Amino acid sequence: DGGITQSPKYLFRKEGQNVTLSCEQNLNHDAMYWYRQDPGQGLRLIYYSQIVNDFQKGDIAEGYSVSREKKESFPLTVTSAQKNPTAFYLCASTDSPVPSNQPQHFGDGTRLSIL
Amino acid sequence: DAKTTQPNSMESNEEEPVHLPCNHSTISGTDYIHWYRQLPSQGPEYVIHGLTSNVNNRMASLAIAEDRKSSTLILHRATLRDAAVYYCILRIAGGTSYGKLTFGQGTILTVHP
Repeated sequence: DGGITQSPKYLFRKEGQNVTLSCEQNLNHDAMYWYRQDPGQGLRLIYYSQIVNDFQKGDIAEGYSVSREKKESFPLTVTSAQKNPTAFYLCASTDSPVPSNQPQHFGDGTRLSIL
Repeated sequence: DAKTTQPNSMESNEEEPVHLPCNHSTISGTDYIHWYRQLPSQGPEYVIHGLTSNVNNRMASLAIAEDRKSSTLILHRATLRDAAVYYCILRIAGGTSYGKLTFGQGTILTVHP
């Protein structure tokens, strides 16, 4: 079955360390997204990519970086500049590069904590 | 995205219908009404969406008021697996919102056996 795979499910980061969260999709979707969710809150957009080799900052991009070298992959790096990285990170994708009423498909998330 | 208002929580008994309301008084003519739900420690799951007419799929039904200022997600027979946070979201068709979803607080649905 097609879907989005995020790994690892749990991740721990030491102070001053960069960590990379993986997101892979086999849905042949053009657009991919990274969201952050804090306890009891809704999702906030970090970065998005409408097509390979292109990506744009979302609402809370500071302290994060991404790449989109392949259509199926959209890794997110949480850098040491992100001072409050503890959160639940969600990757999503959608079919059209300019989504209108297309639903988004989500992975099961990565929970990042600080040691 | 325009703002939506949902009750913080609702409760239901298993195998009974559930009606989850959403108010969106500032909706524009091109905004689609989307519903997602999120189980604990999982990513959101798409449930249903509509524009003007009522919609049905295998998961739920969506009833949209004639003036489109409110809508109701209907789960016809609640099961324990339907216990989740339900989000009502408005999305502009096209535009420059780059497809992001703006989630509010949602409604926590509790289903009792």
